[in-house]
Amino acid sequence: DADVTQTPRNRITKTGKRIMLECSQTKGHDRMYWYRQDPGLGLRLIYYSFDVKDINKGEISDGYSVSRQAQAKFSLSLESAIPNQTALYFCAIKQGATGELFFGEGSRLTVL
Amino acid sequence: TQLLEQSPQFLSIQEGENLTVYCNSSSVFSSLQWYRQEPGEGPVLLVTVVTGGEVKKLKRLTFQFGDARKDSSLHITAAQTGDTGLYLCAGAPSGAGSYQLTFGKGTKLSVIP
Repeated sequence: DADVTQTPRNRITKTGKRIMLECSQTKGHDRMYWYRQDPGLGLRLIYYSFDVKDINKGEISDGYSVSRQAQAKFSLSLESAIPNQTALYFCAIKQGATGELFFGEGSRLTVL
Repeated sequence: TQLLEQSPQFLSIQEGENLTVYCNSSSVFSSLQWYRQEPGEGPVLLVTVVTGGEVKKLKRLTFQFGDARKDSSLHITAAQTGDTGLYLCAGAPSGAGSYQLTFGKGTKLSVIP
């Protein structure tokens, strides 16, 4: 099993639909992150969580929500998807003392 | 807000050539990381540099952290087609309670056979 698993890997949806992207990890790390990647804009932090009871907004949290159901699971939701949320989304876990991240393989979301 | 500027944004070179990618900021970082990302995959950590002036080598890749810990460079010697990918630098801010990495926008490298 991959250390960080994201589902779905690809999703096409319509404007206004609710979407959930799921992330699970097998490493037992406390800190989990959701990033968005757009061409030319790099990786931008959406939300991060230090444990089940600790959720924090990142740089671009508007339009998104998250849920940390368990130490191993961190879900990202778009309550009402819009076209400019079309992007590649990555879940990551913090694995090192100096903040190194281990990323999942990504979820490509297209909002029509 | 701490910013990391990477240059060049795009780089296309012939196999066997050398290249250098730069990552610059006006802010001080406690550490700096380099990642490589291939199409359809997540970024993968290559190296972390922590000490000002530190140089680390990973086969044909040489990473350097600036003396003032505000900038870094990645030098690839005799590039190979397998080096093709997006290279990202990421800085860990100085100071207690700073848990968010700042990412550069990346350098897209194409190595042509």
